[in-house]
Amino acid sequence: AQKVTQAQTEISVVEKEDVTLDCVYETRDTTYYLFWYKQPPSGELVFLIRRNSFDEQNEISGRYSWNFQKSTSSFNFTITASQVVDSAVYFCALRTVYTGTASKLTFGTGTRLQVTL
Amino acid sequence: DADVTQTPRNRITKTGKRIMLECSQTKGHDRMYWYRQDPGLGLRLIYYSFDVKDINKGEISDGYSVSRQAQAKFSLSLESAIPNQTALYFCATSDSGQDYNEQFFGPGTRLTVL
Repeated sequence: AQKVTQAQTEISVVEKEDVTLDCVYETRDTTYYLFWYKQPPSGELVFLIRRNSFDEQNEISGRYSWNFQKSTSSFNFTITASQVVDSAVYFCALRTVYTGTASKLTFGTGTRLQVTL
Repeated sequence: DADVTQTPRNRITKTGKRIMLECSQTKGHDRMYWYRQDPGLGLRLIYYSFDVKDINKGEISDGYSVSRQAQAKFSLSLESAIPNQTALYFCATSDSGQDYNEQFFGPGTRLTVL
């Protein structure tokens, strides 16, 4: 079975602070993909990043960065110099390759980030 | 135009009514999915379809049925709606030709069952 844990239910920060959203996953498969999605107050799901299990390079995209560590089964997401527009619910998700016929994503329960002025 | 569309976007209905949520996509993807989102529970898979003739139950399929009318259309039905089916419903698509199989989500349908 696969599982994604986002232990932080809600985080509040003041604008310009850095914030890290934690994601811990469980899977027995050696080949898998990890994703982060953003859900702003408008409700849609916005894809942020995909990482496969063979690529442990960290990635930076503007103010966003991701730290993938297989040794701790974590795929954490950091927003540097947060802005009010970053306020949203963020979901981490896992897709394993060899799960029978399933190509489904297993989502964490999400972390609500509130950035205030 | 959006690649994955859902209709209606919002719906309020009464217990016992039959409801159909529709999803259409122009991405040419063969795989389609229905999820529901509840506060604090993330997204959970209801049904998925790998092609027109392939329909599979997800983790929470009880009380729901689906129809894949064409490659581009995947409908979700609640035969007799009940209040605990009040949720945000998402349709998603993916391309089996992609190894990582990224899923693209529609804008969501907010369903309220009174």
